[in-house]
Amino acid sequence: EPEVTQTPSHQVTQMGQEVILRCVPISNHLYFYWYRQILGQKVEFLVSFYNNEISEKSEIFDDQFSVERPDGSNFTLKIRSTKLEDSAMYFCASKGTADSGNTIYFGEGSWLTVV
Amino acid sequence: AQTVTQSQPEMSVQEAETVTLSCTYDTSENNYYLFWYKQPPSRQMILVIRQEAYKQQNATENRFSVNFQKAAKSFSLKISDSQLGDTAMYFCAFMKVDQGGKLIFGQGTELSVKP
Repeated sequence: EPEVTQTPSHQVTQMGQEVILRCVPISNHLYFYWYRQILGQKVEFLVSFYNNEISEKSEIFDDQFSVERPDGSNFTLKIRSTKLEDSAMYFCASKGTADSGNTIYFGEGSWLTVV
Repeated sequence: AQTVTQSQPEMSVQEAETVTLSCTYDTSENNYYLFWYKQPPSRQMILVIRQEAYKQQNATENRFSVNFQKAAKSFSLKISDSQLGDTAMYFCAFMKVDQGGKLIFGQGTELSVKP
């Protein structure tokens, strides 16, 4: 069964450092997402990406965040200068078209710890 | 704006028994999708079941079924013959039917299945 894969599974970084989280969405999917889950809290939407551009972003997704699909397969989330409050699990997700069921599939997450 | 509310932070059930998790939502949309996702201790987000709002018939997936009450904006999940592996956090989620299709999650219900 096709799946969304994410790397790294866990990263520890110093405050102020740049972090790039990587994702390989399901191959025939067209919509890509990043979500965040701070420990003990609900999953929050960060950004959606379609046709090589951001289609929607939340208020969390400020200028410190950026996304890119550099090569047609990878989908990355960059945090430019990490803060302690960026510590969270980051989920990549993807979705096909309405014809394929309109269901969003999640990767296993990248756990980011900022120290 | 859409909101999703899960009023049961924690629930427990004996193995082989049946349990129902509650979810209510608020929206002015007429066409949308509803989902239940399971998050075990590994923290992966796993799709359990989905329901299209235009369908009157309640969705079922093996031991999992929903009670979708559109007028009441209620979407509960019933787990029959509970198994130890069902122990997890369960999130209810809403998605508008549009191109972007971001998910709005509830706060989650932590389910413990006891032997």
